[in-house]
Amino acid sequence: DQQVKQNSPSLSVQEGRISILNCDYTNSMFDYFLWYKKYPAEGPTFLISISSIKDKNEDGRFTVFLNKSAKHLSLHIVPSQPGDSAVYFCAAMEGSARQLTFGSGTQLTVLP
Amino acid sequence: EAGVAQSPRYKIIEKRQSVAFWCNPISGHATLYWYQQILGQGPKLLIQFQNNGVVDDSQLPKDRFSAERLKGVDSTLKIQPAKLEDSAVYLCASSRDRTNYGYTFGSGTRLTVV
Repeated sequence: DQQVKQNSPSLSVQEGRISILNCDYTNSMFDYFLWYKKYPAEGPTFLISISSIKDKNEDGRFTVFLNKSAKHLSLHIVPSQPGDSAVYFCAAMEGSARQLTFGSGTQLTVLP
Repeated sequence: EAGVAQSPRYKIIEKRQSVAFWCNPISGHATLYWYQQILGQGPKLLIQFQNNGVVDDSQLPKDRFSAERLKGVDSTLKIQPAKLEDSAVYLCASSRDRTNYGYTFGSGTRLTVV
């Protein structure tokens, strides 16, 4: 049973445009959400996060939106740059355990 | 600060053989995690340590997988005997404590079982 789903395995975007990566979850007990970026042969790197008490968090070019009623979150990257090309994982945490449940990832390709 | 160190980077073994992976977390990080990432999937938690004690190993296949964290620092993950479906990247991560949201992941060990 996949509790965190990323339904788009891949996304291609032109440099300078907006990239929107989506994530859905089923466990209503999740209270913290994170996005990780992964380059080949490297471990995931933390990108941005959001608490379930908020609906938006911004950090530079990256913004995460959370819609709790729809159990949906999205990552916006504006403007997209070729160096943003990587696999993006959505992840969620529940309670005090602080364990991450990951989605299957979305390969973002930013075309120059 | 130095990152999470893992070794080896790559390992190829035959099925039914044994293998061990090593992880050195960031200095001072009390919480250590081992994740398994199968190709095309997201990482899945295998075991979580707090200092040298196990917090959660509910998803660790204990008939063939074992892990320890002696002295609350380095950790080893062992598979014995390996199966073809164990082919994956094994990621180690650490965080300062369980209240800390930011994990730091190592680069992982890619295991191929043939």
